[in-house]
Amino acid sequence: KAGVTQTPRYLIKTRGQQVTLSCSPISGHRSVSWYQQTPGQGLQFLFEYFSETQRNKGNFPGRFSGRQFSNSRSEMNVSTLELGDSALYLCASSLGLSRPSWEQYFGPGTRLTVT
Amino acid sequence: GQQVMQIPQYQHVQEGEDFTTYCNSSTTLSNIQWYKQRPGGHPVFLIQLVKSGEVKKQKRLTFQFGEAKKNSSLHITATQTTDVGTYFCAGPMNRDDKIIFGKGTRLHILP
Repeated sequence: KAGVTQTPRYLIKTRGQQVTLSCSPISGHRSVSWYQQTPGQGLQFLFEYFSETQRNKGNFPGRFSGRQFSNSRSEMNVSTLELGDSALYLCASSLGLSRPSWEQYFGPGTRLTVT
Repeated sequence: GQQVMQIPQYQHVQEGEDFTTYCNSSTTLSNIQWYKQRPGGHPVFLIQLVKSGEVKKQKRLTFQFGEAKKNSSLHITATQTTDVGTYFCAGPMNRDDKIIFGKGTRLHILP
């Protein structure tokens, strides 16, 4: 099976702009989670989508949003970018069918730099 | 709030020495997972532990889940240069099943 893919891999934006990142999960996986990874804060959970519904949400401001499509592909959007949003954004997919079924497969990430 | 703490944050070992990282949760975990992230890479799933007191082995790696399901450890025997990376533990917090990651232990191997 093909792994989790994320596009774009690298992105440079300026403050105030908005950005959309895309994630395609492993075929058959219905859960997609997004994480922000920074050197200081580690891996922080943004949100999880399952069957087009947001199932869980982390402690991030409303500028961070996401959605999932019927084919399980997911997008996350960050509006009004701030310098502190510079990070590696990781998407992870899992079967998500039942608890505990938490084995997650991560994509390569999108490196976002805000200038 | 609910937290998952990992110690140590960094560890330097001579090649061939053993290495252990510890993970402690402020609350009981239904299960715990371990991931490895190589420099410049993304986290890769290693193993999941579910039962109280569970011990699992993968070649030179031994994973343990505490009896109270609030702590876990990863032990690597006779480290090799391929073991370099950051090891994360992660667990779902009971109330809402959000996955909480520890901040990881970065392992450096000295040749």
